[in-house]
Amino acid sequence: QKEVEQNSGPLSVPEGAIASLNCTYSDRVSQSFFWYRQYSGKSPELIMSIYSNGDKEDGRFTAQLNKASQYVSLLIRDSQPSDSATYLCAVKYDYKLSFGAGTTVTVRA
Amino acid sequence: SQTIHQWPATLVQPVGSPLSLECTVEGTSNPNLYWYRQAAGRGLQLLFYSVGIGQISSEVPQNLSASRPQDRQFILSSKKLLLSDSGFYLCAWSPGTEAFFGQGTRLTVV
Repeated sequence: QKEVEQNSGPLSVPEGAIASLNCTYSDRVSQSFFWYRQYSGKSPELIMSIYSNGDKEDGRFTAQLNKASQYVSLLIRDSQPSDSATYLCAVKYDYKLSFGAGTTVTVRA
Repeated sequence: SQTIHQWPATLVQPVGSPLSLECTVEGTSNPNLYWYRQAAGRGLQLLFYSVGIGQISSEVPQNLSASRPQDRQFILSSKKLLLSDSGFYLCAWSPGTEAFFGQGTRLTVV
């Protein structure tokens, strides 16, 4: 079983809509959870960190964590063409940081 | 401010040649350091991580090795490259919990 799994996508949403990204992880002792955005040909950029159960909002982004279900999600509200990228879920236990395969999002103008 | 430098940006190497990629971090002490590889259209594969000088944890057995000769320097090496070593190599650093990436090296083995 993969350590971090994401909905495979690709995900296409119209401009202004909500994009919903999901991630599950296998290790119950995972401590920290992150979402990175990666534009084509570029390195990943950290956009959200979440450490405790519940929601965390930052601008148009909301991360949700449910440790009992081992589930992390990212909502992108009012999606813009500039949000078109691959979104990577990452899970950290101790020093080890593991990534999912990513979900590619395309926002249609 | 804290910055990470990774070079070169692109590299084309023949099969069987050696490899050395370097990553340095400025503005912080004793960071955790990571090497990842991303094959075309794929996710990030953790290769090595280090929590201190000389301390290297290997995640995937392969023909690559890593070293941390100084606190803020992390080196990825190979004695003989394979075609399958092609990919986007990313160095990341973590001062604590969050991790930040360098610009990456795109390696093509021919």
